[in-house]
Amino acid sequence: DAKTTQPTSMDCAEGRAANLPCNHSTISGNEYVYWYRQIHSQGPQYIIHGLKNNETNEMASLIITEDRKSSTLILPHATLRDTAVYYCIVRVALSGSARQLTFGSGTQLTVLP
Amino acid sequence: GAVVSQHPSRVICKSGTSVKIECRSLDFQATTMFWYRQFPKQSLMLMATSNEGSKATYEQGVEKDKFLINHASLTLSTLTVTSAHPEDSSFYICSAMQGGGYGYTFGSGTRLTVV
Repeated sequence: DAKTTQPTSMDCAEGRAANLPCNHSTISGNEYVYWYRQIHSQGPQYIIHGLKNNETNEMASLIITEDRKSSTLILPHATLRDTAVYYCIVRVALSGSARQLTFGSGTQLTVLP
Repeated sequence: GAVVSQHPSRVICKSGTSVKIECRSLDFQATTMFWYRQFPKQSLMLMATSNEGSKATYEQGVEKDKFLINHASLTLSTLTVTSAHPEDSSFYICSAMQGGGYGYTFGSGTRLTVV
């Protein structure tokens, strides 16, 4: 699985957009970008994933650069409940592949009132 | 959506005793479940992969005789920490794979404190 690099921490004002970057310069053609988050003392929660097109769901948007070497997770209107560690994970499609998710150190996002 | 129930959420036990943690997939069948451990201010580290009806696969450095895993049905995997010591105090999290390409669903975790 490709290695990812994320900033250790970020702050964001409540109500503003939170943009979390992730570098994955060694990503392979069949690898997806997955984002999970972990609120303190809880299990990780799936947010979104994508291959090469930008994706949006009710939680967030995922912007993947054309060369796929980096991506940005966007929380459009951050709330205090979005304070969490956000993990960017790159690997082959999870469906049909019973392999574990490997977590890096992630980005601690703190949403400030 | 898929739900994984993990129980108990918190447990305090005495050194030398054993503790069992349950992980259930509530609305889907999980052939494979994973057990992670997380120490304070660290990321999740995979301990073992649990396969229904067969022996678990442990990661390097994880003692299989200390961390007993049983996956007797498609909806239940258990992790038993045997002869617990204070250094086993940690946050234990299970996950199960659901179909449809949505990846893994995680349990809410178990905070184990060994005193």
